[in-house]
Amino acid sequence: AIRMTQSPSSFSASTGDRVTITCRASQGISSYLAWYQQKPGKAPKLLIYAASTLQSGVPSRFSGSGSGTDFTLTISCLQSEDFATYYCQQYYSYPLYTFGQGTKLEIK
Amino acid sequence: EVQLVESGGGLVQPGGSLRLSCAASGFTVSSNYMSWVRQAPGKGLEWVSVIYSGGSTYYADSVKGRFTISRDNSKNTLYLQMNSLRAEDTAVYYCARDPLDSGSRLGAFDIWGQGTMVTVSS
Repeated sequence: AIRMTQSPSSFSASTGDRVTITCRASQGISSYLAWYQQKPGKAPKLLIYAASTLQSGVPSRFSGSGSGTDFTLTISCLQSEDFATYYCQQYYSYPLYTFGQGTKLEIK
Repeated sequence: EVQLVESGGGLVQPGGSLRLSCAASGFTVSSNYMSWVRQAPGKGLEWVSVIYSGGSTYYADSVKGRFTISRDNSKNTLYLQMNSLRAEDTAVYYCARDPLDSGSRLGAFDIWGQGTMVTVSS
C-alpha cells in the first residue's frame, strides 16, 4: 500500500507569511495528488487536484507542485481564515485512496 | 444546490450494526464514484469504501467483510451498512463524491457531506 507522509505535522505562522507544506509518497504516484483544508467540526474542502490544479473557487494564494513522490502545498500570503489542518491524498493506487496524516497550521 | 446529507449515526454496542445514509441533491449518485471517508476523534482522514458508477465496490482492509456500501438510484442515496462494529470504528463518517466527467474520474473528493458521528461503546 502507498503511504503518504506530510511534514511538518504542525507549525505556527503569522498572517502575511508564505508557508509550504510537504507531502511525500512511499512510491511514485505521478501527479495523482490532491490537497484538502479542514477546519474544526467541518468537512474537508478540496483545494487542489492533479498536484497543481486549483479547484474552482479556491483563492489563488494557494498553489501546488510536484510529481512522482514529492509534493508541496504553498500558501503565498496567509490569511486568518487559512489557519486549519491540511491533508494530502493520493489516487494513483486505483481503486484505493490514501490520505496523509495531516498538517495543523496554527497562528503564531 | 449540489449537496450531500448524511444520517444514521449514533451509539452502538461492540458487535452491533448500523446503517448510514447519504442523500444527494443537485447531481446523480449513480453517475459518479461515491465514497465513505471516516475520521476518528482527533485523528486524520481514512478512506473506507467506494462504489463506482458501474456498481463495483471496494473497501479498506480495516472494514472488509464487515461493511457494505450500496446505493438506491430511485432515492439518489448512498448507504453504508456496518456490521460487527468495534471500538476502533468510532468516528465521524463522511460521504464524498469523486466526480466523473466524460467517463474519467477526478480522483479527488469535490463534494462532502457534513458528517455523521458513530460511537461504538458498551
